[in-house]
Amino acid sequence: ETGVTQTPRHLVMGMTNKKSLKCEQHLGHNAMYWYKQSAKKPLELMFVYSLEERVENNSVPSRFSPECPNSSHLFLHLHTLQPEDSALYLCASSQGLLAGGNYEQYFGPGTRLTVT
Amino acid sequence: AQTVTQSQPEMSVQEAETVTLSCTYDTSESDYYLFWYKQPPSRQMILVIRQEAYKQQNATENRFSVNFQKAAKSFSLKISDSQLGDAAMYFCACLSGSGTYKYIFGTGTRLKVLA
Repeated sequence: ETGVTQTPRHLVMGMTNKKSLKCEQHLGHNAMYWYKQSAKKPLELMFVYSLEERVENNSVPSRFSPECPNSSHLFLHLHTLQPEDSALYLCASSQGLLAGGNYEQYFGPGTRLTVT
Repeated sequence: AQTVTQSQPEMSVQEAETVTLSCTYDTSESDYYLFWYKQPPSRQMILVIRQEAYKQQNATENRFSVNFQKAAKSFSLKISDSQLGDAAMYFCACLSGSGTYKYIFGTGTRLKVLA
């Protein structure tokens, strides 16, 4: 379970705060992903990165800003969030892109975000 | 629009018994992949099994197997000889098309294993 790590594990922030979520993968993978998991709603794919380039942005509001400085690290910068953004944010990685190679994703433990 | 439906919010099974979790999907793509993921309480989500739509043979991984009915767009997961460690949320997912990220998950089924 240490292949993909996420910090912090829990985060409480006000609507005017700016915070960042961090994800690190130790698997030598080339693709990384951000997901949002809300209670009683399907898991939502937010962003996809391949070799540090963003290849997908599934209509995510601009208050969520991803950054992938290298293939091992992925950040999600948060600013002026809304209470409905409270959720578990999951990071995942895979050897290749979902649609082009290895289809297995390895997930991190998630960051439980609460927006007050 | 692509959809994945898990109609059983919660299921229970006696230890050592067999349970089947249901999943139906809808996609207009001819090329797609189906997955079952397991998310134990407070632990990371892991892949249980996957099925390529072009393969007629049902995928099997040890005690886990699927019943893939392509015409009916059904993809159920069967867990044999259930163990206490199988207790988790199970998510069905569909990845459609090639070169795209239409990756849709169901709402999940919580499986309880009774000792």
